[in-house]
Amino acid sequence: DAKTTQPPSMDCAEGRAANLPCNHSTISGNEYVYWYRQIHSQGPQYIIHGLKNNETNEMASLIITEDRKSSTLILPHATLRDTAVYYCIVRVGGDKIIFGKGTRLHILP
Amino acid sequence: NAGVMQNPRHLVRRRGQEARLRCSPMKGHSHVYWYRQLPEEGLKFMVYLQKENIIDESGMPKERFSAEFPKEGPSILRIQQVVRGDSAAYFCASSPPGYITEEETQYFGPGTRLLVL
Repeated sequence: DAKTTQPPSMDCAEGRAANLPCNHSTISGNEYVYWYRQIHSQGPQYIIHGLKNNETNEMASLIITEDRKSSTLILPHATLRDTAVYYCIVRVGGDKIIFGKGTRLHILP
Repeated sequence: NAGVMQNPRHLVRRRGQEARLRCSPMKGHSHVYWYRQLPEEGLKFMVYLQKENIIDESGMPKERFSAEFPKEGPSILRIQQVVRGDSAAYFCASSPPGYITEEETQYFGPGTRLLVL
């Protein structure tokens, strides 16, 4: 079973920031938080990952709470092309990815 | 640097035939993972291979399915005597060799959509 809990769906207005929450209360000290998304049956796309510190790249920001029990993925300016299923995953390197149901993000024009 | 490549992108087979799905990892990557996504379901892990070795096949069905990743060439997922229930999207992912920390990112290919008639 997936070690994360995510809301099944969310809406966000185009141009606004999309904040996707994830709970991972049983995360181990050596496990990283990864985010992927899957746009309409395409291959999952890697977005970002982190261990303890907040991370930012050209796609998104990842905010991890100090106790590491939850995190938030932030898409700063959502566009229609960001409509996808977003998966929050905790894992160590060299281990398979266990996908949960993810959050289906709808970007509203 | 090309991403993970999979072919064919679409494959149609009749029941009882064999299906061969190929995955070429990103340049420099030596780890390959295969995942399956049944219609309207999530992705499920099947098998993890390194060059010439199967590391974890805990998600592979016990019969008809096999995978290999030879020293040269792509990784192959082989399904013998296909049945309608094998219709799904099959994705492979690759990652680089070795990691100093436990940080390792998998990058996915576009998938092969198998339809069994």
